[in-house]
Order: sequence, then structure tokens, then C-alpha cells
Amino acid sequence: GAGVSQSPSNKVTEKGKDVELRCDPISGHTALYWYRQSLGQGLEFLIYFQGNSAPDKSGLPSDRFSAERTGGSVSTLTIQRTQQEDSAVYLCASSPPGRRGYTFGSGTRLTVV
Amino acid sequence: GENVEQHPSTLSVQEGDSAVIKCTYSDSASNYFPWYKQELGKGPQLIIDIRSNVGEKKDQRIAVTLNKTAKHFSLHITETQPEDSAVYFCAASAGGTSYGKLTFGQGTILTVHP
Repeated sequence: GAGVSQSPSNKVTEKGKDVELRCDPISGHTALYWYRQSLGQGLEFLIYFQGNSAPDKSGLPSDRFSAERTGGSVSTLTIQRTQQEDSAVYLCASSPPGRRGYTFGSGTRLTVV
Repeated sequence: GENVEQHPSTLSVQEGDSAVIKCTYSDSASNYFPWYKQELGKGPQLIIDIRSNVGEKKDQRIAVTLNKTAKHFSLHITETQPEDSAVYFCAASAGGTSYGKLTFGQGTILTVHP
């Protein structure tokens, strides 16, 4: 596609439920990143996939958060047993080989009620 | 780990004036410094970046300067226009195992008044 595609664009879930957020990066981009943006805050790094290397999971805030990337393309961020503090915009980005500048998607706005 | 501080948090200017946003970083190993612009309801968009072997970079009305000794870098927007109104984020990244990972500042809300 022309850009990074994220779905859903909005998600409202009840506290305690599991949610899955999807990211479809730009074709040919080998690196994929997940960030979280809370209201009025900066971007918080969550996880980073680079090609076939083991992902950098150092930013995941708890073991309720996990992510996978299948076939070097689509990625899914899963949040188990959601809490109200998980409410935020989850942003996905990708970058091509040898480049450090990201292209971000429009994000998924997650609201936990 | 890396820590990036960004100032000011809000900036209001008149159309045609210049705007300057400043960031400092803590990790002397950082060597890549991008700036992103985020409009309401959209993801951040890369507008300019600079690497540590360069002191200044310009792209039309936008310029970025880097002072490695002082560990700070700045975004300069000249001849501001209302469409420049957005949230601007600076970021920093080191090489090695942190190659792709960015640490972002808290953002600056820029408002350009017609």
C-alpha cells in the first residue's frame, strides 16, 4: 500500500478484555515499530522488529503486552486483560532497509471503559 | 537510557514570524536526530532529520541545527504560515543495538495566528 495501515482506527473495550491491534507496513519496509501516545504526551517506545532478528521488546510495559510479526510483514499488538491506563493511541511505523526515518500510520485509539 | 527534553511545550507566533523549538539529549552515543510534525488525528510525519556528522541542515523554510558538545539540537521554521500549526516532536537515536529505536521529546504545540 501507499502508507502504513492500522486497524481498527478506534476501539472501545471493557476493562479485563483482550484486544488485538493490527499494523500493515509499507511493502518492502523491513523494520516495524510500535509506540504508544497517551493524551497530551510524547511517544513511548514499545517494541521494534528488524528483519529476521529477535525483536527489541524493551519498551513493553508489562507481560500483558505482546506483539508478533508474521512473514516479515503484518504485525499484531495484543493487550491482555486491558486496564484503564492502557487507554492511548497506539502508533505503528515502518522504515526501509538502511533508513532510520519512520513512516507512521494514523494510529489506533484504544479506550478502556 | 536516552532522555530527550523539549522546550517550549507551547509556542504561539504571528504569521510570517520565525519559530524555534529546542531539544536536549542525554546519551552522547546518539547520532540521529529527526523532527516530526503531527496534525490532529494523524500520525507523526517526518519533516527533517540530521546526523551527528552534520551541524546544520536546511529544507526550504525549515532548518535544524545540532551542537554535539552541548548535546542539544533545534528546529527553526521561518516565515511561518497557519498550516504550520501542529505538534512538533524531536527525537534521538543511538547506533548499535538501538539503531532503529527513537526516544521522543514531549512535544511542542505550535500555533500560527493569521
